[in-house]
Amino acid sequence: GAGVSQSPSNKVTEKGKDVELRCDPISGHTALYWYRQSLGQGLEFLIYFQGNSAPDKSGLPSDRFSAERTGGSVSTLTIQRTQQEDSAVYLCASSRRWSQGGNEQFFGPGTRLTVL
Amino acid sequence: GQQLNQSPQSMFIQEGEDVSMNCTSSSIFNTWLWYKQDPGEGPVLLIALYKAGELTSNGRLTAQFGITRKDSFLNISASIPSDVGIYFCAGQLRVKWIGNKLVFGAGTILRVKS
Repeated sequence: GAGVSQSPSNKVTEKGKDVELRCDPISGHTALYWYRQSLGQGLEFLIYFQGNSAPDKSGLPSDRFSAERTGGSVSTLTIQRTQQEDSAVYLCASSRRWSQGGNEQFFGPGTRLTVL
Repeated sequence: GQQLNQSPQSMFIQEGEDVSMNCTSSSIFNTWLWYKQDPGEGPVLLIALYKAGELTSNGRLTAQFGITRKDSFLNISASIPSDVGIYFCAGQLRVKWIGNKLVFGAGTILRVKS
């Protein structure tokens, strides 16, 4: 498909367990973003990858959250020792390189995480 | 962190009516974006504004980038049932060495009575 894909679409886990969320960006997009959307709220920036540059991690809420991007394509967001307040929809977006007019971010459908 | 104030929080209007929503910020942005999100989907870009004072249309949608660079509005004319959804404004400070992260408003829920 041509769009951003995310997996799983839904994840239910128990408090204290680790979870991994995956994002496949649009082919050729060098920038990748993770956002979190809590119920009834706007999107909250988490982390941003651009090519081989060091990621902007300024939005990660705690050291339980980490993300990596392998080979400049697929990204995994990991939440360790999940807490109930981590329950949210986690959205991934990708865009082209800045120099190629990478202004428009295209979003995936999100992963709905529920921590019991 | 940065905050965008988006209003109204929700609207319940009659089909055919015009709709207006807006966003204000305490910070300057050099790009304003409007997204629509349907249930179970990610946000979809509706309109992007890149210049202060810019007025841009996309079909029945019209958006403006405020001259102070701290606000934007979105108008929908002659609403139809498929306009239902959540509309988000987003501000972006596109600086090459900082990146393109978006700051989102809390959203406006639009419901349309047919």
